[in-house]
Amino acid sequence: QSVLTQPPSVSGAPGQRVTISCTGSSSNIGAGYDVHWYQQLPGTAPKLLIYGNSNRPSGVPDRFSGSKSGTSASLAITGLQAEDEADYYCQSYDSSLSGSAVFGGGTKLTVL
Amino acid sequence: EVQLVESGGGLVQPGRSLRLSCAASGFTFDDYAMHWVRQAPGKGLEWVSGISWNSGSIGYADSVKGRFTISRDNAKNSLYLQMNSLRAEDTALYYCAKEERVYDAAFDIWGQGTMVTVSS
Repeated sequence: QSVLTQPPSVSGAPGQRVTISCTGSSSNIGAGYDVHWYQQLPGTAPKLLIYGNSNRPSGVPDRFSGSKSGTSASLAITGLQAEDEADYYCQSYDSSLSGSAVFGGGTKLTVL
Repeated sequence: EVQLVESGGGLVQPGRSLRLSCAASGFTFDDYAMHWVRQAPGKGLEWVSGISWNSGSIGYADSVKGRFTISRDNAKNSLYLQMNSLRAEDTALYYCAKEERVYDAAFDIWGQGTMVTVSS
């Protein structure tokens, strides 16, 4: 059972918009810790997609965006493309775990 | 090129030990906190341990506390994970990752991982 809760799967057709939620609690997201998002393509290492709730590292397309409110965060992907099919993970920190890093369980995005 | 390369994985019997290494290049290693993250086959990411730039702050997941020890040698640009009393549930691909302050402590660089299999 992950500290951060994500839906196991989401899907969308090419060109559509999908969102992935990440629900935490008052000891992690709700405590003010930033949320980061990672994309893991099949057979590869995770790649930083969004940092600090809503910022994109250089090279990440602006089709990817993040937001945070209260004890939850969301990743939105617009103009869905076949190459977006991957696993997506949210990550934050948790004060009840001595400030340790915590991950969501991951969401498998299927492009129909 | 900024790079992290893990090594030291393999097949080990339950109760035995293994030491993982992560060689860093392309950045000033001793400026950054570093972490180990693992991924069991077909499962999600699990944070294992983290260490500050000067080893002054160290943390562990409850699942490995008391069995695993993280360390670093800044002179050798290397990160280590000493794993003792290994269990079947420790079987996973182990990644080392660099924490980037500019990115609000996100993990911006990951290695390719080294596989640890605990089985008799």
